[in-house]
Amino acid sequence: AQSVTQLDSQVPVFEEAPVELRCNYSSSVSVYLFWYVQYPNQGLQLLLKYLSGSTLVKGINGFEAEFNKSQTSFHLRKPSVHISDTAEYFCAVRRSGGSYIPTFGRGTSLIVHP
Amino acid sequence: EAQVTQNPRYLITVTGKKLTVTCSQNMNHEYMSWYRQDPGLGLRQIYYSMNVEVTDKGDVPEGYKVSRKEKRNFPLILESPSPNQTSLYFCASSSFGAADTQYFGPGTRLTVL
Repeated sequence: AQSVTQLDSQVPVFEEAPVELRCNYSSSVSVYLFWYVQYPNQGLQLLLKYLSGSTLVKGINGFEAEFNKSQTSFHLRKPSVHISDTAEYFCAVRRSGGSYIPTFGRGTSLIVHP
Repeated sequence: EAQVTQNPRYLITVTGKKLTVTCSQNMNHEYMSWYRQDPGLGLRQIYYSMNVEVTDKGDVPEGYKVSRKEKRNFPLILESPSPNQTSLYFCASSSFGAADTQYFGPGTRLTVL
């Protein structure tokens, strides 16, 4: 079985400041890792994903994430946030073979203040 | 345009009155699923389907039914809704690869009185 822990339920930050949203996972097999974003009153959309190769993954809207296998983490970062980044962010994992059922974290609410 | 559609977007109903939330995708995806989203609990999977006529329970299936008679459609049925099923529901689809992105519908906000 796999699990995902998003360590912060809410992250307040001022506009133009850097931000890191933390995600740790647990799995006995290799996984693929995803970050999704949910803007207010919308469904989830993919920000970025890690499948293999370079551990630094770049996504849309200036976000990036780094896969750290030894720490089983996949933290999401942005060097300078905008008001429009205010949203709910979900980390997710899927096993790389066998079951395709994803497991989602509980979400982190990023609140960007002017 | 590739998309997942859900209807209705908003629904207020009363306890015990059967309802169906429809979900349709136009990407020829094999895999479809339903989630509910509740504050502090994140996304929890209700049911999923690997293909036509193949469905299975997720983490919170009690009180829900699904069917997959066509590849593009995956309706969620609440035969006797109760207030604890008040939630935000999302349908999602993806092709049959673990690396593939899930595409989500816009959500259905259900209130059961």
